[in-house]
This record gives sequence, C-alpha cells and structure tokens, in this order.
Amino acid sequence: GDSVTQMEGPVTLSEEAFLTINCTYTATGYPSLFWYVQYPGEGLQLLLKATKADDKGSNKGFEATYRKETTSFHLEKGSVQVSDSAVYFCALCTGGGNKLTFGTGTQLKVEL
Amino acid sequence: EPEVTQTPSHQVTQMGQEVILRCVPISNHLYFYWYRQILGQKVEFLVSFYNNEISEKSEIFDDQFSVERPDGSNFTLKIRSTKLEDSAMYFCASTRDREPEAFFGQGTRLTVV
Repeated sequence: GDSVTQMEGPVTLSEEAFLTINCTYTATGYPSLFWYVQYPGEGLQLLLKATKADDKGSNKGFEATYRKETTSFHLEKGSVQVSDSAVYFCALCTGGGNKLTFGTGTQLKVEL
Repeated sequence: EPEVTQTPSHQVTQMGQEVILRCVPISNHLYFYWYRQILGQKVEFLVSFYNNEISEKSEIFDDQFSVERPDGSNFTLKIRSTKLEDSAMYFCASTRDREPEAFFGQGTRLTVV
C-alpha cells in the first residue's frame, strides 16, 4: 500500500539557517504530494503541493520538488525564522479518492 | 477565511463509554473526512463521507465507529464503546470537491481512561 517516510525529529535550527526535511514515498500510480504544517495549538494547514513529476510547490519561502526518479518530495527553506517552529507533515494522495496518506511528522524548532 | 471547527478541543472519557466528536466543515464543501493521530505515530485516515454516505473507510474504522451529518452543517464521529487504544488526536477535514486539497480542523484530543 501507499506510505510516506519522513526524517525523524525534532529538528533544532538557529534562525536564518537552511532547512531540509526529507520525505520519500511509496505509491501505486502517480500521487499528488503535499506538505502540511501544524503550528502549536492549531490544525493542519496545507503549506504546498505538487501534482506531477518535476513540479515545484512553493509557499512562504518553502519549496519542494516532486522527484519521481527518487520518489522524494523534500521540503526546503533557505532561511528559517522562529515563527516557522511547527510540526511538518508530508502526505500523498493517489487515484480517484481524496484520502491522504501521511508521514509521522517532523517537529521543527527554530531558536534565536 | 472559512475554517473547519471541531469541538470539544479535549475530551476525557472512561473506557466503555460512548463519545461523539463534532465538526463543522466549511459550508460549501462536499467531502468530509476523519483522521486520527495516536501520540508519536502517523496521521491515519479513518473515513470519508460524501452525499450522506461513507465513500471510503480504513481498517481502523470498524463497527464501533460511525459518522453522521445530522443537520446539513455538523459532521460527527461516534465511538460506541471506547477503548484505551482509542486515545488519540482526531482531525476532521473537508474538501470542496474531489480535489485532494483538504482543510483541517484543530483536532479533538480524546483521552480514554
């Protein structure tokens, strides 16, 4: 079945550091890929998405590129801020249904 | 900005009791979902609901679970006889149509004691 594997957290970075959160997937067919973010005390929010190979999703300085050859969708940001501290979830959706398959989430903590 | 709202934010219940988790999806959305996350584990799909019936459910969604849209605005998840292992964060989500861009609520933390 479909699955998503994310790097283990927590990840602790200094402000303005470069961020990479790795995400790889296993899926039948051609999935759409997503990054969701959960800020403290809030629900899951869609951060970015990519629906086909080589697409790059971007939002709020975050980027991720759909790499079919490596089945990856790594999240990157060039300069993190304290306000980026949150839990980040990689997810996929396949076929005609709307069911999302999530990774375990990676907690990011950004310090001054 | 429209949002999905869930109540309560935290529910504590005794094992064997019934609980109902409530959600108000975004008003023009047509598809509704429940997910759960056991502490430290993945967010897992439970069930999707469209046109007043279940469209897909996971293995987790057994006979103790049921969903309902009782009044055209609320979407509820009922757990008939809670078990300790039902303790988790439960997320409600909705989508406007078959696109997978889901909007999630803040979650209900269910603790079964």
